[in-house]
Amino acid sequence: GAGVSQSPSNKVTEKGKDVELRCDPISGHTALYWYRQSLGQGLEFLIYFQGNSAPDKSGLPSDRFSAERTGGSVSTLTIQRTQQEDSAVYLCASSGDGGLGNQPQHFGDGTRLSIL
Amino acid sequence: AQSVTQLGSHVSVSEGALVLLRCNYSSSVPPYLFWYVQYPNQGLQLLLKYTTGATLVKGINGFEAEFKKSETSFHLTKPSAHMSDAAEYFCAVSYTGGFKTIFGAGTRLFVKA
Repeated sequence: GAGVSQSPSNKVTEKGKDVELRCDPISGHTALYWYRQSLGQGLEFLIYFQGNSAPDKSGLPSDRFSAERTGGSVSTLTIQRTQQEDSAVYLCASSGDGGLGNQPQHFGDGTRLSIL
Repeated sequence: AQSVTQLGSHVSVSEGALVLLRCNYSSSVPPYLFWYVQYPNQGLQLLLKYTTGATLVKGINGFEAEFKKSETSFHLTKPSAHMSDAAEYFCAVSYTGGFKTIFGAGTRLFVKA
């Protein structure tokens, strides 16, 4: 079956521009996560959606970052007024009920964002 | 609070040698434990997981891991390394009601011919 799909796979933009990154989770998965992975680094948690509950935004690094999830499915991560330090790979993952804890996450291949 | 420590950011082994990647966790409640692998320019893939039951867990590609509660460890092993095993490996922990999964910093495995 279809896995997690992210688009675009690569994005190059100028400093100060806004960008939108899209994630299509696996159908039926109620939990959706965004992570940031800088070059050679581990995963930095950004935001978590679970069903219709309020999202956990505790990992968003600044108010320039925001995310939404429409209809409990597709999610968009928006970065406003991009800075060079935003350059990274942005990974999306989905899973069954995140509250259970025992559900593995299924990852997309990421969007590689480069800020010039 | 939960945490995960992966000992060694880089591990190098010869082809055919034993692979051992170390993971220790900290959790005040029974944990669920995972190992993921990341190949270049790809997302993470689940290798194996421990939730309940047997403490020795077998995963894909010949990998296995053993949950040792007394040592708070979940080390990943493979008897014989293959060139295709070269990748980044992440250990992760979560628990019921925890919502977030905590990932370790990762260990990059190099396999020498």
